[in-house]
Amino acid sequence: EAQVTQNPRYLITVTGKKLTVTCSQNMNHEYMSWYRQDPGLGLRQIYYSMNVEVTDKGDVPEGYKVSRKEKRNFPLILESPSPNQTSLYFCASSPGTSGNPPLGDTQYFGPGTRLTVL
Amino acid sequence: QKEVEQDPGPLSVPEGAIVSLNCTYSNSAFQYFMWYRQYSRKGPELLMYTYSSGNKEDGRFTAQVDKSSKYISLFIRDSQPSDSATYLCAPGYGGATNKLIFGTGTLLAVQP
Repeated sequence: EAQVTQNPRYLITVTGKKLTVTCSQNMNHEYMSWYRQDPGLGLRQIYYSMNVEVTDKGDVPEGYKVSRKEKRNFPLILESPSPNQTSLYFCASSPGTSGNPPLGDTQYFGPGTRLTVL
Repeated sequence: QKEVEQDPGPLSVPEGAIVSLNCTYSNSAFQYFMWYRQYSRKGPELLMYTYSSGNKEDGRFTAQVDKSSKYISLFIRDSQPSDSATYLCAPGYGGATNKLIFGTGTLLAVQP
């Protein structure tokens, strides 16, 4: 089954304790991104990657790191989480340049990770 | 001014009603317009998209874009309780960035 998987689905942690949220897709998509979703603010892009070893900042990158060493994986790293990073996080992938727009830009979302930082 | 504005709702309608969901946008550079549906505790999924001004129909759903007024609409005919979800409009620039700009979403509840 074509899908984007995220782990963990739920995480409660404390301020300053480094954490990683994993994301993996099995569709051979070029493009992957991370979003956070907050009430009243909608989905905001944190980081994106157009291909292996190519990453760039989205709209709200502060406090986050990413890496793309393999095409299928795009982990999100919070080096020193703070309470304002409490949110619902989504990983997404899309075909990218291998698909004609707009379908090439269609983003397929993972199930979400609900993070609480105390 | 936000690039995409969307009324958050909630919008509550009886089963069978026609639903109109709307967004406005400010950037005339958007090339296409997507609608995503998000059920509770799930990730958003693509519902439909349109590339240009005019209407596009898919079953009970019709997407409409008016580029002159920068207005996007999604109509749902004969709404069903299973349509209860949050609907997000998402215009896109196309090109190399693959970037979509998501509206905040409108929560729809269809009452049986």
